[in-house]
Amino acid sequence: SQKIEQNSEALNIQEGKTATLTCNYTNYSPAYLQWYRQDPGRGPVFLLLIRENEKEKRKERLKVTFDTTLKQSLFHITASQPADSATYLCALTEAGRRALTFGSGTRLQVQP
Amino acid sequence: DARVTQTPRHKVTEMGQEVTMRCQPILGHNTVFWYRQTMMQGLELLAYFRNRAPLDDSGMPKDRFSAEMPDATLATLKIQPSEPRDSAVYFCASGLVLAGELYEQYFGPGTRLTVT
Repeated sequence: SQKIEQNSEALNIQEGKTATLTCNYTNYSPAYLQWYRQDPGRGPVFLLLIRENEKEKRKERLKVTFDTTLKQSLFHITASQPADSATYLCALTEAGRRALTFGSGTRLQVQP
Repeated sequence: DARVTQTPRHKVTEMGQEVTMRCQPILGHNTVFWYRQTMMQGLELLAYFRNRAPLDDSGMPKDRFSAEMPDATLATLKIQPSEPRDSAVYFCASGLVLAGELYEQYFGPGTRLTVT
């Protein structure tokens, strides 16, 4: 069966450290993968998109990697800040479709 | 700054009642999505439209749910009759398909539905 797995346990890190979140998928052939941030009581907000033929994408303190052999994406936040505390969702789109399938998200807590 | 709007933000209703949720997508976006989010199931796609035509509603219970786009500025999701298991947050999102590719989706604030 198709699955997108994100660590369901919250990730607690100290301010200034790098947070690394994992997204693993099975039985998908994604054309591209996206990462969203969701704060309590709000809708998800787009952060980064990476295509199947890209290995890495960066935006300010954010970095996403995509390994289609391992079927895994890693999401990094460098120099993390308490304001980065939120739930982070990965989502993928298969070729020929336009909709996203979301993982369940990982909650990140950055301690001051 | 352009954003997706949804009404109502909160809805409490009794089982068996009809519920209608509305969404105004970002002007110029040609694709609209409806998602449902619960603690147990996470964020699930219910239906989506492109240029107002339904493309996929396979995630939606057809016997009680219906989704429409009467015009480019309004999408509706209706539940009739509602059941307690429909309690969730319903999100609308819009996006732009260019050259066959959909880029990021912009989500509304959601409608929190409670069916008692």
